[in-house]
Amino acid sequence: AQSVTQLDSQVPVFEEAPVELRCNYSSSVSVYLFWYVQYPNQGLQLLLKYLSGSTLVESINGFEAEFNKSQTSFHLRKPSVHISDTAEYFCAVSDRDFNKFYFGSGTKLNVKP
Amino acid sequence: EAGVAQSPRYKIIEKRQSVAFWCNPISGHATLYWYQQILGQGPKLLIQFQNNGVVDDSQLPKDRFSAERLKGVDSTLKIQPAKLEDSAVYLCASSQLGNEQFFGPGTRLTVL
Repeated sequence: AQSVTQLDSQVPVFEEAPVELRCNYSSSVSVYLFWYVQYPNQGLQLLLKYLSGSTLVESINGFEAEFNKSQTSFHLRKPSVHISDTAEYFCAVSDRDFNKFYFGSGTKLNVKP
Repeated sequence: EAGVAQSPRYKIIEKRQSVAFWCNPISGHATLYWYQQILGQGPKLLIQFQNNGVVDDSQLPKDRFSAERLKGVDSTLKIQPAKLEDSAVYLCASSQLGNEQFFGPGTRLTVL
């Protein structure tokens, strides 16, 4: 079975500062990678995904993540965060058939004014 | 396009009682998933259906949890009897074959 590690359970940051949320996975086979965001009392929403092609993927609200195969990482970054980015972020891995999803334990991003 | 619907949104019961959750996936999505998300943890897959057949239920506590998807559309997850450690958010997700999952808002269960 695969595992997903999000080392930081909480990340406090001031508004307009840059942020990086770390994600590492363990897998000896090719995988698909995802970041989901969960706002309070809501379900998970897909933020961005890596399936193939360019290793740098972007979301519509300024987040980006880079797939690094040698380091088995898929860190999420944003150069300037907003208060509205306060949420919990989950990294996930699936096999190439989308048959099994494995989620990390989540990172709570708390953006302070 | 309507999203994944779940009900109820919140449920409070006492231990040893029974509870059922309902999920209606996105129209046309053949695959349906039930996850358990305990506070402070990531979602854990309980069961996965492909149409009305079970693909994976290896992490479903079958002595107390059951799930069905009789007509290959909506699904029900039941807990009988509930334990304190079942307090969690139960998430339903659906996907088209070979695509990413879309999640419902979840049902927050509190067992007292």
